[in-house]
Amino acid sequence: DIQMTQSPSSLSASVGDRLTISCRASQSINSHLNWYQQKPGKAPKLLIYEASSLQRGVPSRFSGTESGTDFSLTISGLQPEDFATYFCQQSYSTPHTFGQGTKVDMK
Amino acid sequence: QVTLRESGPALVKPTQTLTLTCAFSGFSLTTVGMGVSWIRQPPGKALEWLARIDWDDDKYYSTALKTRLTISKDTSKNQVVLTMSNVDPGDTATYYCARYGAGSDAFDIWGQGTMVTVSS
Repeated sequence: DIQMTQSPSSLSASVGDRLTISCRASQSINSHLNWYQQKPGKAPKLLIYEASSLQRGVPSRFSGTESGTDFSLTISGLQPEDFATYFCQQSYSTPHTFGQGTKVDMK
Repeated sequence: QVTLRESGPALVKPTQTLTLTCAFSGFSLTTVGMGVSWIRQPPGKALEWLARIDWDDDKYYSTALKTRLTISKDTSKNQVVLTMSNVDPGDTATYYCARYGAGSDAFDIWGQGTMVTVSS
């Protein structure tokens, strides 16, 4: 199975901050990396697919990049509605493994 | 509008078999490339992918749980069913179904989830 290592597990930030969450795959996954946002008591929501493609309807302050087996989600100008937990997930092969999540809370 | 809705028992006893149903609308599981996955999340923990069934009836399972899981579809009813045998308290979680393969290989639409507690 491909292991997805996400960091940090949590971070504190303020409205307007620029923040980056990282995810590393245990082997090459050829851009097959997706990012989700989850708020308490809600289902996850797809933000970014194929490492850097913005899902329709998602604000452009969210962006994704990749470098080999390292992937990043960046939020440029954190908004109040962005305080949530973020998960990465590889879709290169089954089983489709998720990262452990990054909780973003208010500083 | 694409929707998915999970249903199943809220409480199951250890050693029993859990059966969950995902009823969906707004897309067809006969469309080439389409699939539906099940994903679960224990309280306060990470997401765990469980299984996927595709339009051509190909099936994929979690390595750790494959001996206990069975996924199937009924295209006439627009439903996907997941069964999990021999449940234990560690299977307590919210179970989600999600659409896969609509323009990408991500899970683009999710159901609201159904909470299942395993307890005697």
